Amino acid sequence: GAVVSQHPSWVICKSGTSVKIECRSLDFQATTMFWYRQFPKQSLMLMATSNEGSKATYEQGVEKDKFLINHASLTLSTLTVTSAHPEDSSFYICSAVGFQETQYFGPGTRLLVL
Amino acid sequence: AQRVTQPEKLLSVFKGAPVELKCNYSYSGSPELFWYVQYSRQRLQLLLRHISRESIKGFTADLNKGETSFHLKKPFAQEEDSAMYYCALSGYAGGGNKLTFGTGTQLKVEL
Repeated sequence: GAVVSQHPSWVICKSGTSVKIECRSLDFQATTMFWYRQFPKQSLMLMATSNEGSKATYEQGVEKDKFLINHASLTLSTLTVTSAHPEDSSFYICSAVGFQETQYFGPGTRLLVL
Repeated sequence: AQRVTQPEKLLSVFKGAPVELKCNYSYSGSPELFWYVQYSRQRLQLLLRHISRESIKGFTADLNKGETSFHLKKPFAQEEDSAMYYCALSGYAGGGNKLTFGTGTQLKVEL
C-alpha cells in the first residue's frame, strides 16, 4: 500500500519549452503533496507544498511563476516547469502524505533541459 | 528554524560490524524524527520513525532530546544495508508540517 507514482520518469526538452510532471497517489488519497528537488549527491530540497483545492505554498527562493503546481484532485498533483532552462535540469521528487502523516515518495523524474 | 545535521557523508563498515549513523537536529518545538533509506536506483522509503519505537530490518533509533540526536544503529551490518540514509525532521514551519532532510550518509557494507 501507499504507492506514489510519477510520470514521466525522465524527460529531455529544449530550452524555452514547458514540461509537466505528474505525481499520483495510487491507493490512497492525499490532501497534501510535496515537491522536492535533488541535485547530484545532495539532499532533497523542498520546493513547495501542494494542497488539494487551494494554492500551493512555495519555499523561499522558489519562483511560483516558474514552477506551477496544480493539485486538482486528492490523487494527483502536477508540477509544470515553465520556459525551462538548462539550470532547471534536476531530479524532481514528489511525496504524498498518507497514514499517520507519513510522506510516501515517488520514484522521481529526471529533467534534462538542452 | 529547523535543521538536521548528518556529519558523515560516507560510512564504510565490514559485514557483521556494528553500524551507527549519526543525526543531530535543531528545532524549537517538539520534533518528530524519521530515517529514510534510498537503495540504489530506488525511491526514498521510510525506514522508521521515532514515535513508533520499532525495529525495522534490525535498525533502531532513539530520540535523545538532551543531546538533540536521533542516531540510527544496527548491531550487525549486512551487505544489503548498503544504501543512502537520510535523517529527517518533521516540524511546523511556514503554515504547515514539513520535512527537513539532512544531507545524507552513504553506508557501504564491505565483505
